[in-house]
Amino acid sequence: GDSVTQMEGPVTLSEEAFLTINCTYTATGYPSLFWYVQYPGEGLQLLLKATKADDKGSNKGFEATYRKETTSFHLEKGSVQVSDSAVYFCALIKTSGSRLTFGEGTQLTVNP
Amino acid sequence: DTEVTQTPKHLVMGMTNKKSLKCEQHMGHRAMYWYKQKAKKPPELMFVYSYEKLSINESVPSRFSPECPNSSLLNLHLHALQPEDSALYLCASSQVGLKRDGGGYTFGSGTRLTVV
Repeated sequence: GDSVTQMEGPVTLSEEAFLTINCTYTATGYPSLFWYVQYPGEGLQLLLKATKADDKGSNKGFEATYRKETTSFHLEKGSVQVSDSAVYFCALIKTSGSRLTFGEGTQLTVNP
Repeated sequence: DTEVTQTPKHLVMGMTNKKSLKCEQHMGHRAMYWYKQKAKKPPELMFVYSYEKLSINESVPSRFSPECPNSSLLNLHLHALQPEDSALYLCASSQVGLKRDGGGYTFGSGTRLTVV
């Protein structure tokens, strides 16, 4: 079946450091890929998305590129802030109205 | 309106109580979902409604009973829960049937349920 593998956390960085959270997937066909963010005590927010190979999703300084050759969708940010501290989930879906498959999540803590 | 609204935000209930969680969206989405999330874990799918019909039940115990009265509303009726059912319950919605849907799911902020 479909699956998503994220780098294990937690990840602790200093403010203004460079962030990479690795995500790889296993799926047949052409899934859409997502990064969701969950701040403490809240639900999930869609951070960015990509629907086909070589698409780059971006939002709030975060970027991720859909790499079909390496089945990856790594999340990057050039300079993290304390307010970026949250849990980040990589996810995929084959067709709307079906299952959204999540990775295990990566806890990010950014220290001042 | 681009939100999924869940009520209540917090709920404490005894093991003999009956309560309901409510979810509402006005984005015209025709798929709605219930997820359960334990601390430090990804959400786990419970139920999927597509065009107001139950399309997926992930073998959820019968003490959880979903209902979709119309295309904008989704309820989760709770009865005789156990302490291990304490979790964050998330509702989500999406379009249906579009390949490569760029929108993904829209999640609500959740109901934090504690069973005592």
